[in-house]
Amino acid sequence: DTEVTQTPKHLVMGMTNKKSLKCEQHMGHRAMYWYKQKAKKPPELMFVYSYEKLSINESVPSRFSPECPNSSLLNLHLHALQPEDSALYLCASSQDMGDTEAFFGQGTRLTVV
Amino acid sequence: DQQVKQNSPSLSVQEGRISILNCDYTNSMFDYFLWYKKYPAEGPTFLISISSIKDKNEDGRFTVFLNKSAKHLSLHIVPSQPGDSAVYFCAASVGNFNKFYFGSGTKLNVKP
Repeated sequence: DTEVTQTPKHLVMGMTNKKSLKCEQHMGHRAMYWYKQKAKKPPELMFVYSYEKLSINESVPSRFSPECPNSSLLNLHLHALQPEDSALYLCASSQDMGDTEAFFGQGTRLTVV
Repeated sequence: DQQVKQNSPSLSVQEGRISILNCDYTNSMFDYFLWYKKYPAEGPTFLISISSIKDKNEDGRFTVFLNKSAKHLSLHIVPSQPGDSAVYFCAASVGNFNKFYFGSGTKLNVKP
């Protein structure tokens, strides 16, 4: 199994809602990532987890809250988002933080209304 | 300021010919470079990588060339196939600090 699975594929939420994005991999990878990709822009790194600990937070606003409950799962909790947060959110994993090959999920298309 | 740049947003090539995708970078500390391919509605898929200690890496129809003095890398696909039609992202990272800097992508269209 070389897949990174993200759910849901699409999400529409209001600015007062609380929702969560989920990411799962069963490759035994110990590094997991959240990226945000706006239309016609490259993916931008948000968070990196290494061995279930948050290693990198790219100055992401606190309305985005990551969580790594175990080595296979990565969540992104969303609260009080703004319309400009609408984007494709990509999850990725790699063997560890020193590995340059990352596997990406299909992404969650988020629309904030 | 974008540290990795792909100046050609699109490229159209005839099937069977060579596709050359280009990427420039500004940070001389980058020591790993990667190419990802992305189909619509899918996440990026790793394609090929190259370390800064090499100037060429080949994998089947895909070859990546690195010119460190020019801070330039390129991806050659030969022969190009219609299934290669996708957006190609160049990415770079520094050492073991696994943060990828992506270019904005080049959309490749291989015509049958």
